[in-house]
Amino acid sequence: GAVVSQHPSWVICKSGTSVKIECRSLDFQATTMFWYRQFPKQSLMLMATSNEGSKATYEQGVEKDKFLINHASLTLSTLTVTSAHPEDSSFYICSARPRDSYNEQFFGPGTRLTVL
Amino acid sequence: AQSVTQPDIHITVSEGASLELRCNYSYGATPYLFWYVQSPGQGLQLLLKYFSGDTLVQGIKGFEAEFKRSQSSFNLRKPSVHWSDAAEYFCAVAPNYGGSQGNLIFGKGTKLSVKP
Repeated sequence: GAVVSQHPSWVICKSGTSVKIECRSLDFQATTMFWYRQFPKQSLMLMATSNEGSKATYEQGVEKDKFLINHASLTLSTLTVTSAHPEDSSFYICSARPRDSYNEQFFGPGTRLTVL
Repeated sequence: AQSVTQPDIHITVSEGASLELRCNYSYGATPYLFWYVQSPGQGLQLLLKYFSGDTLVQGIKGFEAEFKRSQSSFNLRKPSVHWSDAAEYFCAVAPNYGGSQGNLIFGKGTKLSVKP
């Protein structure tokens, strides 16, 4: 149980295009989902927290207009990188907190984004 | 501000040898404590966690960790390392808001290499 998937697992796009990454909780409902970014050989940095049905809360320094987060259902959150540039290339990881839990998070396998 | 320190960036041990990965945290109260493992290009897998109670925590894959309040430490141990344990290990803490978990704060990670 407690499986989180991400799609796609990797994506290559041209500079200036937008890319959407999906995060799904497959066997549980998640009221809260988190989006992290990980640079090579670095730790995970929290980008934003999304709660189902409400606006995401972004961490300081994260551009909300560039990284659009939607959490339309209890099993799906999406991260759209708008007008992507090479510096947006990174490993993006989501996690999901089950509806009936206040102290658990389950991580997805990550999405490798490369912007040319 | 809360922080997590993993003093060792890279550790190499021989297969069959014992392992200890260090983690220290800075936080006013006892937080929730976690160890995650990440294989190359993969998401995070939870090894173990400490919320309260017995300070020696058993996890998956033969790992254990000990919470020492006096040292603000949560070191990860394994008595006999296997080649498949080679990966990146992240210590993480989350504030404890009266039973509700705050956002995860990750250390920079320790890369484990295993010699045959």
